[in-house]
Amino acid sequence: DAGVTQSPTHLIKTRGQQVTLRCSPKSGHDTVSWYQQALGQGPQFIFQYYEEEERQRGNFPDRFSGHQFPNYSSELNVNALLLGDSALYLCASSTFRDTQYFGPGTRLTVL
Amino acid sequence: LAKTTQPISMDSYEGQEVNITCSHNNIATNDYITWYQQFPSQGPRFIIQGYKTKVTNEVASLFIPADRKSSTLSLPRVSLSDTAVYYCLVGEVGGFKTIFGAGTRLFVKA
Repeated sequence: DAGVTQSPTHLIKTRGQQVTLRCSPKSGHDTVSWYQQALGQGPQFIFQYYEEEERQRGNFPDRFSGHQFPNYSSELNVNALLLGDSALYLCASSTFRDTQYFGPGTRLTVL
Repeated sequence: LAKTTQPISMDSYEGQEVNITCSHNNIATNDYITWYQQFPSQGPRFIIQGYKTKVTNEVASLFIPADRKSSTLSLPRVSLSDTAVYYCLVGEVGGFKTIFGAGTRLFVKA
């Protein structure tokens, strides 16, 4: 049984570009949450998707958007990249209102 | 959402038992306590979760006193591979806006 998977593993972009990160939840899970983790800090909640809708959002600008597909997989899109967007982006899946399990993350570097 | 306070770092030696305490004075009635372990450049790994008293699994034990204002993660006989950051989270299970603190950096020495 595969756990949470994320792609790509690493990504390098330049300022102003746009990026799309992908997440496949653990089998049986229908809820996906996204987190940003800067170096040396704890993960920061970006938003959560359930039934293809954004259910809750953390303190992140509209440049961060997402989508959930009918198969429960999800994408995180970041527009107009800034240097400060460089971080490890984590996806966590769960059944709704249950314990979250994290994927390995995508390391985004913005130059 | 209840704020948590943990020690910034802890040192231990292989084979010792390690106890990491987390304070959460404002824990709500519906809140659970969840601990995650994270290695560098990897996603957090679920360790254990509990509501009250004691919970034990194959990896760790979680002790929660009656007032639930604190909790202690106990790692029996740590090894070098247990060197990681440990996060204590308090909130409704799967709740919105899960908040991670700075975590506790555990260093296990030979």
